[in-house]
Amino acid sequence: QKEVEQNSGPLSVPEGAIASLNCTYSDRGSQSFFWYRQYSGKSPELIMSIYSNGDKEDGRFTAQLNKASQYVSLLIRDSQPSDSATYLCAVGSGNFNKFYFGSGTKLNVKP
Amino acid sequence: DAGITQSPRHKVTETGTPVTLRCHQTENHRYMYWYRQDPGHGLRLIHYSYGVKDTDKGEVSDGYSVSRSKTEDFLLTLESATSSQTSVYFCAISESGSLISTDTQYFGPGTRLTVL
Repeated sequence: QKEVEQNSGPLSVPEGAIASLNCTYSDRGSQSFFWYRQYSGKSPELIMSIYSNGDKEDGRFTAQLNKASQYVSLLIRDSQPSDSATYLCAVGSGNFNKFYFGSGTKLNVKP
Repeated sequence: DAGITQSPRHKVTETGTPVTLRCHQTENHRYMYWYRQDPGHGLRLIHYSYGVKDTDKGEVSDGYSVSRSKTEDFLLTLESATSSQTSVYFCAISESGSLISTDTQYFGPGTRLTVL
């Protein structure tokens, strides 16, 4: 069983602060990692993907991957109330591109 | 939603009745997936397809079957619905799925199913 663990939260941060979301995974053979954002009642939408160790930045978002520690994180700088959502970590298996999802972390950004 | 539609968007049915959910894509992607999402469990894979008439089970496949007769359509059937199948069902598509690379999955809008 391939497991992906996330703290369910809620994580509360003030507007303008940095939000840090974390995810651990069990399968050392995993090669691809994704962060999705999901607003209440909506479908998941891709925020970031990362495939190699280190940091990847896209606007206010930075994904960090450490394969040795089996850990992936998402940093959101200058958090806005519109960032309030549930963030899902997904780990991809190269075999038929199957994804394994964490249960999500709910983020609340307070004005 | 990346050219993905799901129907119906909402459905209420009774225990023991058959239910079919439809996923339709206009992206011509080879891979299609059905997930269910329940509080505390995140998204769990039910079945997936890697081509027309090529399907396989995911981690929570009991009580579900699928069919894919055309590239654009992937059907999920609950042969005899039970209350434990009350959930939100998402379809996803992916362009590639080789053994050495993975690709983003894009999600449809979801179907909220209630089994009474």
